[in-house]
Amino acid sequence: DFQMTQSPSSLSASVGDRVTITCRASQSISKYLNWYQQRPGKAPKLLIFTASSLQSGVPSRFSGSGSGTDFTLSVSSLQPEDFATYYCQQTYSPPYTFGQGTTLEIK
Amino acid sequence: QVQLQESGPGLVKPSETLSLTCTVSSGSITSYYWTWIRQPPGKEPEWIGYIHDSGSTNYNPSLKSRVTISLDTSKNQFSLNLRSMTAADTAVYYCARDRDGYSRIDYWGQGTRVTVSS
Repeated sequence: DFQMTQSPSSLSASVGDRVTITCRASQSISKYLNWYQQRPGKAPKLLIFTASSLQSGVPSRFSGSGSGTDFTLSVSSLQPEDFATYYCQQTYSPPYTFGQGTTLEIK
Repeated sequence: QVQLQESGPGLVKPSETLSLTCTVSSGSITSYYWTWIRQPPGKEPEWIGYIHDSGSTNYNPSLKSRVTISLDTSKNQFSLNLRSMTAADTAVYYCARDRDGYSRIDYWGQGTRVTVSS
C-alpha cells in the first residue's frame, strides 16, 4: 500500500492567515492526490482532486499543487469555517489510502 | 440534489456479519462508482471499496476476504456486507458516490456509527 504522511499534524492560525499543509507519498503517485476537509461529526468534503483541480463549489482560496511524492494544500486567507481537519488521499492505486490528518485550530 | 442515507445496526457482536444499506435518492444509481468508507474513532478514513453499475468491484485488499459490496438498481440501493467482525471494525461507516473511480466523491451519506461488542 502507498503510505501518506502529512505535516504538520496540527496547526494554529488566525482568521486571514495563509496556511500550507504538506503531504508526502511513500512512492510516486503522479498527480493522483485528493484533499478533503472534515468538520467534527460530519463526512469529509472533497476540496481538491488530481492534486490541483478545485472541486465544484469550493472557494478559490483553496489551492493544491505538487506531483510525484510531494504535495501541498494552501488556504490563502483563512475564514472561520476553515478550521477543521484536512486529509490527503492517494488515488493512484487501490486501496486509496489517506494521510493521518492535519487539524487546523484557531490561534 | 442527490442524497445518500445509510441504514443498518449500530451494534454488532464479534464474529457476526455487518450488513449496511445505502439508499440513493434524487438521482440515478447508474454510471457512478458506489463507495464505502469507514473511519475508526479518532483516526483517518479508510477506503473499503466500490461497485460500479456495470457490476465490477474493487476492494481494499486488507478487507477483501471479508467484504462484499452489491448493487440493487431496482431499489436505488447498494449494500455492504462485512463478515467476521471484530472490535477493530468499530467505526463510522459512510456510503458515497464516486464520479470516476478515483475517489472523486461528490456526495456522502451522513455516516452510521457501528460498534462491535458482545
